[in-house]
Amino acid sequence: QKEVEQDPGPLSVPEGAIVSLNCTYSNSAFQYFMWYRQYSRKGPELLMYTYSSGNKEDGRFTAQVDKSSKYISLFIRDSQPSDSATYLCAMCSKLTFGKGITLSVRP
Amino acid sequence: KAGVTQTPRYLIKTRGQQVTLSCSPISGHRSVSWYQQTPGQGLQFLFEYFSETQRNKGNFPGRFSGRQFSNSRSEMNVSTLELGDSALYLCASSDPGADLMDTQYFGPGTRLTVL
Repeated sequence: QKEVEQDPGPLSVPEGAIVSLNCTYSNSAFQYFMWYRQYSRKGPELLMYTYSSGNKEDGRFTAQVDKSSKYISLFIRDSQPSDSATYLCAMCSKLTFGKGITLSVRP
Repeated sequence: KAGVTQTPRYLIKTRGQQVTLSCSPISGHRSVSWYQQTPGQGLQFLFEYFSETQRNKGNFPGRFSGRQFSNSRSEMNVSTLELGDSALYLCASSDPGADLMDTQYFGPGTRLTVL
């Protein structure tokens, strides 16, 4: 079993939809949970991070962590075409990335 | 500050050849990591260099090697290229100790195609 599993994609949604992206993990030592966003022909960039269980909001984005279930999610409200990208979850102590899911938001 | 730069951006090679990729980290960052990204396997860690020393290594064959120079610039070399080495190679720099998450700052990548 991989340490980090991410829902496979790709995912296509209409503009304005609520998007839910999910990852599960097996390593209880993970303490920090991150989401990176990667636009086409670019490298990934850190979008959000959280340390504890619960929710963290940043504009239209909400990162959610459930340590008891070893499950993290990224919610995007009112999705826009500019949100079309690949989203990778990442975790550390020892930095580990999920495979990534490609999101396409249709105008 | 200027971001992470990688050269070249695109490369086409044939099987059996070797290739060297270059990465210049963000000024002040002493850690440089290399990743291979493919649609099937996602982002896979190759190795990390810190102060010219390899600090961590992923599960890749010895054909993949790297080094870091005193100015923190790094190179990655792949010898005896195979078709399966076609991928986007990403370099990331970080400032260990600046945050507990070891935030990676990625370059745009080098797209390697092996024919």
